[in-house]
Amino acid sequence: GAVVSQHPSWVICKSGTSVKIECRSLDFQATTMFWYRQFPKQSLMLMATSNEGSKATYEQGVEKDKFLINHASLTLSTLTVTSAHPEDSSFYICSARRYPGTVSTDTQYFGPGTRLTVL
Amino acid sequence: EDQVTQSPEALRLQEGESSSLNCSYTVSGLRGLFWYRQDPGKGPEFLFTLYSAGEEKEKERLKATLTKKESFLHITAPKPEDSATYLCAVQILTGGGNKLTFGTGTQLKVEL
Repeated sequence: GAVVSQHPSWVICKSGTSVKIECRSLDFQATTMFWYRQFPKQSLMLMATSNEGSKATYEQGVEKDKFLINHASLTLSTLTVTSAHPEDSSFYICSARRYPGTVSTDTQYFGPGTRLTVL
Repeated sequence: EDQVTQSPEALRLQEGESSSLNCSYTVSGLRGLFWYRQDPGKGPEFLFTLYSAGEEKEKERLKATLTKKESFLHITAPKPEDSATYLCAVQILTGGGNKLTFGTGTQLKVEL
């Protein structure tokens, strides 16, 4: 299989604090990981693409200084929400693209998500 | 602009009542179309990837098909455990950076 884990699964924090979310591919290497957020009853919105060893690419409208992404290894990417505010409360989901990325195996496998609540 | 539209938004079926979910897309060049299942409070679970028109894939009660404009997810004799939101997503050929563009999903409810 292709298993992706996220930690923590949920977190509650006070406004103004920073929160780090980890995304790990457990049984495969991932040169590329993606971070999404999902609001209730809505679909997934891509926030950024994270490539191992290089800077993340952010989607239009996503503040890179607020959502810090580090892809430290082929199996780990982290998303840090800095100075979190209530409007940052959401469901954050990561995915990992299986390497090598041939056409037949170019599939994104998703983690279970992290529910962030900012008070 | 690349667009993905899913219909219906919600679908309620009786157990055993077969139906189809639609995903229509407008993209500059399709690299792949993906189907995922998402349960409440969980991340999407991969179901299928389709790469070219005419391609079909099956898994248990699910069958996905692809044309040049749309994809269908056929559900045969569904069971209550098939209840979930089904998402389709497209990956474009060039300039997309391997990212996926998702539709808004079809929320399926299968009742006894």
